[in-house]
Amino acid sequence: AQTVTQSQPEMSVQEAETVTLSCTYDTSENNYYLFWYKQPPSRQMILVIRQEAYKQQNATENRFSVNFQKAAKSFSLKISDSQLGDTAMYFCAFMKPNTGNQFYFGTGTSLTVIP
Amino acid sequence: SAVISQKPSRDICQRGTSLTIQCQVDSQVTMMFWYRQQPGQSLTLIATANQGSEATYESGFVIDKFPISRPNLTFSTLTVSNMSPEDSSIYLCSVTRLVQGGEAFFGQGTRLTVV
Repeated sequence: AQTVTQSQPEMSVQEAETVTLSCTYDTSENNYYLFWYKQPPSRQMILVIRQEAYKQQNATENRFSVNFQKAAKSFSLKISDSQLGDTAMYFCAFMKPNTGNQFYFGTGTSLTVIP
Repeated sequence: SAVISQKPSRDICQRGTSLTIQCQVDSQVTMMFWYRQQPGQSLTLIATANQGSEATYESGFVIDKFPISRPNLTFSTLTVSNMSPEDSSIYLCSVTRLVQGGEAFFGQGTRLTVV
């Protein structure tokens, strides 16, 4: 079974600063996908960034980037130039293809951006 | 992408009654998923709904309590039956596409309060 662990229940960051959210996972699979989702108070889950396990290059989406360490099974999210709109719950997720694309979510990190 | 409309967005229900939540997708999808998210917690998969077959339930969830319908490739319902206060939660509908690395798309969720 796949497990996803987020060890930081809550974090805060000053506006315009950089913050890193941690995520580790456990799997015996070699081919899989990792995601970070954001859930603001509106409850709508929004995809932040995606990483394919077979790609060594870390994914980047504007202010969001990941540090993917496959051997260590670590997948952290770095948010640069934090903005007030980044305040949300962030969920790390694991997906193994060919299983109906079932997702496994971590417990979430509540991020607050302080003005 | 996929746009998901979920109804109702919230409801307050009496103990012992049932509530049916609807999920409408703007395009045909094979896999639909129903999640429960208890306050401040992560997403827990209730079941996977496939068109033309019985839903597949995760451990701890049973069909009598959470019957699911999937009459076509764009629509599904989840019923929460014989509700108790412990069923108070957010219920989320999700779809993924059967392409490698397909992201999950989510409805806006249904906030259920049982009194």
